[in-house]
Amino acid sequence: GAGVSQSPRYKVAKRGQDVALRCDPISGHVSLFWYQQALGQGPEFLTYFQNEAQLDKSGLPSDRFFAERPEGSVSTLKIQRTQQEDSAVYLCASSTVAGGQETQYFGPGTRLLVL
Amino acid sequence: QKEVEQNSGPLSVPEGAIASLNCTYSDRGSQSFFWYRQYSGKSPELIMFIYSNGDKEDGRFTAQLNKASQYVSLLIRDSQPSDSATYLCAVRLIRGNQFYFGTGTSLTVIP
Repeated sequence: GAGVSQSPRYKVAKRGQDVALRCDPISGHVSLFWYQQALGQGPEFLTYFQNEAQLDKSGLPSDRFFAERPEGSVSTLKIQRTQQEDSAVYLCASSTVAGGQETQYFGPGTRLLVL
Repeated sequence: QKEVEQNSGPLSVPEGAIASLNCTYSDRGSQSFFWYRQYSGKSPELIMFIYSNGDKEDGRFTAQLNKASQYVSLLIRDSQPSDSATYLCAVRLIRGNQFYFGTGTSLTVIP
């Protein structure tokens, strides 16, 4: 595709509800990242995939957060038993090597509000 | 100590002036450095990256890297109102795959 796409763009969840956020990376991009961005803050790293392998999940804030990329393309970030502190924008980025450096391209984000 | 520090601003400059944005980082193992622009309610978009000491120019933008002092800056020449946004500095470490972002500097260019 032309760029990274994410769905849904907006999600309102009741506290305790499970949510699933989807990311479609740029075609051919091997690497995929998930970030959480709170209001007024920079993106905070959550997890990283290279193809279908989750190589780094050190940024996931709790065991309620789970991410997968089973076929090395589309990725899903799942949050179980959502809490109010999970309210944030969740950004997905895919990356490629350009000019000798790996550069990331972000999707539009999913804005999650937990009531 | 955060990996990446930025002055949150706001920074205001008149149209046509040079805007100077600064970023410091804590890990000497940082490998490459990125500047992103983020408009309100939008996702970050890459402006440029730098990984060697010195200056790198791209149009009205110049990134400067000083590894000894652990800082990276972004200069925007001939600032335009459309440059008004939050500018995020990001670094990538040699180890691992993480990109660390600063909190961003809010820039307003006054017509």
